[in-house]
Parts: sequence; C-alpha cells; structure tokens
Amino acid sequence: QKEVEQDPGPLSVPEGAIVSLNCTYSNSAFQYFMWYRQYSRKGPELLMYTYSSGNKEDGRFTAQVDKSSKYISLFIRDSQPSDSATYLCAFFMDTGRRALTFGSGTRLQVQP
Amino acid sequence: EPEVTQTPSHQVTQMGQEVILRCVPISNHLYFYWYRQILGQKVEFLVSFYNNEISEKSEIFDDQFSVERPDGSNFTLKIRSTKLEDSAMYFCASSNREGGSPLHFGNGTRLTVT
Repeated sequence: QKEVEQDPGPLSVPEGAIVSLNCTYSNSAFQYFMWYRQYSRKGPELLMYTYSSGNKEDGRFTAQVDKSSKYISLFIRDSQPSDSATYLCAFFMDTGRRALTFGSGTRLQVQP
Repeated sequence: EPEVTQTPSHQVTQMGQEVILRCVPISNHLYFYWYRQILGQKVEFLVSFYNNEISEKSEIFDDQFSVERPDGSNFTLKIRSTKLEDSAMYFCASSNREGGSPLHFGNGTRLTVT
C-alpha cells in the first residue's frame, strides 16, 4: 500500500465551481497536514497547514482532515482560472522521519 | 513577504561534470532542505540540514551529493559527477523550526544533464 494516494487528474471544472481535492494516507505517524499549489515550472507554494482533525478555512480554501479515516481534502470555492495548477498534499511526522512526504499531485484546470 | 531564492534558474551540464546549485533561504529560518522533482513525477526529499550538519537524508542522496552552508546566507547542493538521471527540478526549502513547521520553497533550478 502506498504511503500517500492522490488522484493525478486532470480535473477540469468550469469557472465558479466548487473543487474537491483529496488524499488518503496510510502512515498513522503523520500529524501535520499541508496543501501546496504548484504552477508549471515553479516551486510548491504553501496554501494550507493544519495539525488536527476538522476544518480550517482561509478565504476560498477549506482544508479538512479526518485522522480516523486517514483522509484529507482541500475545497476551493468559486474557482477561478488562476487556480489552474497542480495541488500537492503533504505530510509531516511528529517524530522519526522529519522529511515532508508529498502526494503525487492533482492537476486542476478551471475553464473560463 | 520573504522568500527563498535559487540560482541559477536553469543549468545545463554535460554528464560527468560537477554542478553547484545555490539557495538563499529565508533569513530567520534555521532548517534547510533540498528536494527534487523529475519531470512528471512527485516531489522527493533529498536532504535536510540544521546547525551546520545533515540531519536526515534519503537513499537518493548518495556520495555524489553534498550540501554546504558556506556563509550565513547561502545553502548549496553539489553534485560531483552528474548523470543523465540527475536531470530534474531541484527545490530548496527552509523552515523556522522543526517538527511539522511548514516548508517554504524556492522556484527551483532546472538541471539538464546531456
């Protein structure tokens, strides 16, 4: 079983749609959960960061973590063409390995 | 907003040559990282660095790789004898504490080995 599973997409939606992006993970030691956005040929840009189960909202973005199901989601409301990018989930352990573990990324295309 | 800067943005080198990729982390950050992304693949961890020494490295980070913080601002990744399979985007990242602190990434150096 892969440590992190993320659907690669591409996911194509019309402008204004609500987008749902998801990752599942198998490692119970993951305690910190992040979402990064990556535009083509650019570095990952931090969008959301959380360390507990539940929801966290920031503008049009909501991150949701369900530790019992080992499932995290990122929702984008009122999606814009400028949201077109690859979205990476990322995980950090509390102890042991200190490296950030990334999902493979979901490519999102928002059509105007 | 402070940012991580990387130079050069694109480096072309011949197989067997040495390359040095440079990074200036965010100024008050203490933890530094190199990651790599081969075209079309996931972002992979190479090495983390704290207090002037390597704190963790992956199996990718073999003897051909080394890192250094030569002064108070730069953080470098050296590949001694490049191979074709070293062609990738190399990202530098920094954070201000360990244990789950989010990483801030630079825009990367695209390394092409011919």
